[in-house]
Amino acid sequence: GQNIDQPTEMTATEGAIVQINCTYQTSGFNGLFWYQQHAGEAPTFLSYNVLDGLEEKGRFSSFLSRSKGYSYLLLKELQMKDSASYLCAVRDSNYQLIWGAGTKLIIKP
Amino acid sequence: EAGVAQSPRYKIIEKRQSVAFWCNPISGHATLYWYQQILGQGPKLLIQFQNNGVVDDSQLPKDRFSAERLKGVDSTLKIQPAKLEDSAVYLCASSLDWTSGGADTQYFGPGTRLTVL
Repeated sequence: GQNIDQPTEMTATEGAIVQINCTYQTSGFNGLFWYQQHAGEAPTFLSYNVLDGLEEKGRFSSFLSRSKGYSYLLLKELQMKDSASYLCAVRDSNYQLIWGAGTKLIIKP
Repeated sequence: EAGVAQSPRYKIIEKRQSVAFWCNPISGHATLYWYQQILGQGPKLLIQFQNNGVVDDSQLPKDRFSAERLKGVDSTLKIQPAKLEDSAVYLCASSLDWTSGGADTQYFGPGTRLTVL
């Protein structure tokens, strides 16, 4: 079967750095997405990785290792507004998105 | 550019009643998705349209759920009759064209929060 694993919940301090991991086992791979979802709101697109390596976008970076079936989202200089769930999704060989359950990130002052 | 529009935002119904949700995708987006999201879980794909054709409805409970996108733009999702376990957020998303490759990005509407009593 197809599977996406993410930690259920993480806690970090304002101003710090946090890394949210995602491991996947899917039938084929055509890219990995990260979305942010604030409580009671819709997911919003953060990043897309299809090649190995690190993609940096402001305070957020996303890393991919296809050989290890692994990705992480790195958030720097954490702000209170970063408190949200972070969803990892993988596009499989049929170009369908397989979604993880999300990681709830709690930022403390 | 306008985003994905959905209505209503909230709906409370009794079990066995019917309910309908409406979605207007981003202009020019050929692919439209309906998801069900239960609290603490990732989105679950119910149905995917490409223009006015169905690409995937394998997880749609067809005995009670139906969806259409007759003119290839707006879409409606209906539940009849509703059950308690249908309480969830129903998200509509659209993308430019899912056949274009892996980078095709889905953009989500604000969702409809359904409570079945």
